[in-house]
Amino acid sequence: GIQVEQSPPDLILQEGANSTLRCNFSDSVNNLQWFHQNPWGQLINLFYIPSGTKQNGRLSATTVATERYSLLYISSSQTTDSGVYFCAVESGYSTLTFGKGTMLLVSP
Amino acid sequence: NAGVTQTPKFQVLKTGQSMTLQCAQDMNHEYMSWYRQDPGMGLRLIHYSVGAGITDQGEVPNGYNVSRSTTEDFPLRLLSAAPSQTSVYFCASSYSHGLANSYEQYFGPGTRLTVT
Repeated sequence: GIQVEQSPPDLILQEGANSTLRCNFSDSVNNLQWFHQNPWGQLINLFYIPSGTKQNGRLSATTVATERYSLLYISSSQTTDSGVYFCAVESGYSTLTFGKGTMLLVSP
Repeated sequence: NAGVTQTPKFQVLKTGQSMTLQCAQDMNHEYMSWYRQDPGMGLRLIHYSVGAGITDQGEVPNGYNVSRSTTEDFPLRLLSAAPSQTSVYFCASSYSHGLANSYEQYFGPGTRLTVT
């Protein structure tokens, strides 16, 4: 099946810093989503981005489908950005294959 | 819209007990799925459904049963709980963006299950 690799596995930032999270996948996909899992365990949809670039406030994402990677940018990070960021790609019949996530800690 | 709801939020079972995790969605999504999340890992697919009356196995189906009698509900049954099933369980529903195999998924809040 399709493989999804995320990097880095862990990231510690000072509040206000910028960061880039990467997701590589092993096969062509029709769907890629980024999620934020907050400290309470809730999975929050950030982006549905099979290709191209999208922005939502301080977050933006770019997927280059032909080169099989996606990037999530977080600018001017805040403590509320802490949590785990997951990349997930379509693995058939509306199901997703997840990467292992990037754990982000933003300190004040 | 309540979105995707799951009950219970927490559950403790003894080895060998059975139980049903409930999942419901009010978005009229055709597709629904169950995932489990273990520490330090992403989510793994247990079972999924592409419509009422149609279900199939995912990556880790052993020890679980599902059925889909309505569009709204997709319960997950643990037949005989084992400590290896201690995990957080997420239900998801999805709709098509119109492109082939292009579905955006929305997740419920999860059920934290401990089997002793």
